[in-house]
Order: sequence, then structure tokens, then C-alpha cells
Amino acid sequence: KAGVTQTPRYLIKTRGQQVTLSCSPISGHRSVSWYQQTPGQGLQFLFEYFSETQRNKGNFPGRFSGRQFSNSRSEMNVSTLELGDSALYLCASSPTVGTIGADTQYFGPGTRLTVL
Amino acid sequence: AQKVTQAQTEISVVEKEDVTLDCVYETRDTTYYLFWYKQPPSGELVFLIRRNSFDEQNEISGRYSWNFQKSTSSFNFTITASQVVDSAVYFCALSSGTYKYIFGTGTRLKVLA
Repeated sequence: KAGVTQTPRYLIKTRGQQVTLSCSPISGHRSVSWYQQTPGQGLQFLFEYFSETQRNKGNFPGRFSGRQFSNSRSEMNVSTLELGDSALYLCASSPTVGTIGADTQYFGPGTRLTVL
Repeated sequence: AQKVTQAQTEISVVEKEDVTLDCVYETRDTTYYLFWYKQPPSGELVFLIRRNSFDEQNEISGRYSWNFQKSTSSFNFTITASQVVDSAVYFCALSSGTYKYIFGTGTRLKVLA
């Protein structure tokens, strides 16, 4: 099975711009989660989508949004970029075994976003 | 609230030494799951192990072993006879019905040849 894929792998933007990142989960996985990883804050949960619905949300401003399509692919969008948004954005998919919290998440390689 | 503490920020060992990475967690849930992930320089988090709160059996997989002790809320990870390829950042994570996936701050392991 192919793993989780994320595009693009690298991105450079300037302050004020917006960006869209894409994630294709492992075939058959219906849950997709997004994380932001920075040296200062570590790995922080952004949101989780399941069956095209946002199921959980982390503590991030409304500039961060996401969506999931019927084929489970997901996109996240960051509007009005700030310097502090520079980070590695990781996507993870899980098969959703039914018991909340029990899923093993499988991560993609990430998109490294640099905001200048 | 849930919390995962990895007190060791960075560990350096010489190849073939054994090394233990510590993970201490806090949760009020009775059912929860613990995970270890490896993040090599490429950036992708690689799943290593998942353990549920009702299974305190230790696990061994090749050179890797895990010691889960509910009495001390710890889920430690030992690499036996470390190799240079083990150099990475290792994350411990906790998940439950209340909170999904709280990660520790990670431990950077450097294995020197």
C-alpha cells in the first residue's frame, strides 16, 4: 500500500499570502489529521477530519482551516500568513477502528512552509 | 488534562551501547493508548509501537523493547546495541477518547560511530 503523500514538499511564501497544502491518505483510511511542528512548540494538533466532517480541532486561530473530500483526501489552508507560521506541516491518516483514541496514525513526509 | 513528558532533550551514545528513552504520561482516562514514533532527518514520523492501557506486557521487537508501567505512568523505550541508523528524534504520544494524540517534546538520539 502506498503511504500518506503530501504536496508540495516545500513551499516559500511571503507574509500576507495564503497557502493550501494537500494530503492523500493511505487507501482505505478515512480519518486525516493535521499537525504543525516547530522547534519552539513541538508537535501541535491542528484538526482532524473524518467522512468530510471536522471531528476535532486544536487551539489555532481561524486563519487555519481544512476540508476533506469524499475520497478522503484533505487540504489545509492558511490565510494571511505570518512569520510564525513557518513550520513543518504533517498530515496523518488512520483507519478508524471505532474506539475513539485507539487509532494508530500514519504520517506523511510533511510540507515545509517558509514564510518570508 | 493530559500530558506527556520526555525529560531527556538529547542523548548521545556510542554505537553498540544500550540506551533508554523515558516517557512519563498523565491522564485521568482509564482507557488510553500510548505510542512511540521515530522521526529521522527526512521528517516523516515512523510508527514504532502502540500499547493500550490494559496491556502492561513488555514488548520486544528486534533491538527495540518497551517497558510499560502503569504504577509509575511510564512507557520507556530501550534500544539495545544502538546503531548509527537509530539516530533520530523519538516521540512518545498519548491518545484517549477525551484527547486525541498528545505528543511529548521528543528526545533527540545521536548514535556516534
